[in-house]
Amino acid sequence: KNEVEQSPQNLTAQEGEFITINCSYSVGISALHWLQQHPGGGIVSLFMLSSGKKKHGRLIATINIQEKHSSLHITASHPRDSAVYICAVSPFSGGGADGLTFGKGTHLIIQP
Amino acid sequence: SAVISQKPSRDICQRGTSLTIQCQVDSQVTMMFWYRQQPGQSLTLIATANQGSEATYESGFVIDKFPISRPNLTFSTLTVSNMSPEDSSIYLCSGGDSLRFFGPGTRLTVL
Repeated sequence: KNEVEQSPQNLTAQEGEFITINCSYSVGISALHWLQQHPGGGIVSLFMLSSGKKKHGRLIATINIQEKHSSLHITASHPRDSAVYICAVSPFSGGGADGLTFGKGTHLIIQP
Repeated sequence: SAVISQKPSRDICQRGTSLTIQCQVDSQVTMMFWYRQQPGQSLTLIATANQGSEATYESGFVIDKFPISRPNLTFSTLTVSNMSPEDSSIYLCSGGDSLRFFGPGTRLTVL
């Protein structure tokens, strides 16, 4: 079973700062997801990566398959970015797709 | 993309009762999953809801406690049976094939 480790667990930063959240996993995967969970519990999928880099607005996600590592960056952070950011990995499917394995999340607070 | 809705969004239930959570996807998806997030914990897969056949449960989860239905490619239900306070969690439905989409979650409190 894949182990997914995120760091840091908690991060408080000032508005405008550049934010980096890291994710490492232990076993080869077919894809990695970055998710955003708001206080109410609902989850929004931010990115799905299998290689390289993706950018959406102020969010950038990168993945290094060889190192089994991914990062999520937020540029020009804003208080509305405050949420829990979760890394999740999809295994290679073998005879049936499995659900995702999730990290414990990074609780981000952006102060004005 | 797909939009997933869940009902109810939250509920407070008495010990020993059961609650059925509904998950509706606005487009057909092959795979649907149910997850649980206990307070302060990461999400844990309960089961994969298979259309037309019995759900596939992860270790530690059993059908008698969490019966699941998947009558078609857009709908699934999860029932939390004979609830105890330990079942207080957020229950999330997810669907999709290569991309995964998530419902807004159902926050369950068992007294």
